[in-house]
Amino acid sequence: NAGVTQTPKFQVLKTGQSMTLQCAQDMNHEYMSWYRQDPGMGLRLIHYSVGAGITDQGEVPNGYNVSRSTTEDFPLRLLSAAPSQTSVYFCASSYGGEAQPQHFGDGTRLSIL
Amino acid sequence: GQQVMQIPQYQHVQEGEDFTTYCNSSTTLSNIQWYKQRPGGHPVFLIQLVKSGEVKKQKRLTFQFGEAKKNSSLHITATQTTDVGTYFCAGPRTGKLIFGQGTTLQVKP
Repeated sequence: NAGVTQTPKFQVLKTGQSMTLQCAQDMNHEYMSWYRQDPGMGLRLIHYSVGAGITDQGEVPNGYNVSRSTTEDFPLRLLSAAPSQTSVYFCASSYGGEAQPQHFGDGTRLSIL
Repeated sequence: GQQVMQIPQYQHVQEGEDFTTYCNSSTTLSNIQWYKQRPGGHPVFLIQLVKSGEVKKQKRLTFQFGEAKKNSSLHITATQTTDVGTYFCAGPRTGKLIFGQGTTLQVKP
């Protein structure tokens, strides 16, 4: 199994550009989530989904959109990138929801100039 | 803001010394999860504690869950260079898994 796959691994954007970070899992996990990691801030939850067609906001959702049309995929969209969105983004999934162990992807390192 | 607080933020130890990181929640948790992230890597699940007062061991790592289920600790005995990384606690909260800020451990050989 590939587990949780994130693409791209690295990306540089200019302010105002849009971008979609891809996340796919092949473990048939219902629960998926997106985190951003900044120095000294730990992992902060952006959006999460408990199943196909259902998404909800996390701790820091502003500036990000998500959708969940299939169980496998959970893309994260930046509509108009800002320098404050420079971060490392991790996608995670689990079988039983937020109270169960999470499987993380390798991350996407995003720089906004 | 952060509802799961973790201290210290950084810890430098000599190889062979012990290390402890502490996690505190503002509310009672159904469980606490611990993760380790190696430099340049992604968080990897270590363990989950569910019961009040629970203690679990993994080789040199000892995990505790407080009696009130609002705090937890991770203790590493006789650190090794392979223990280097950032250790996170995380607590579930109504659909969300909230992480602490993490404790970054540096080990001098």
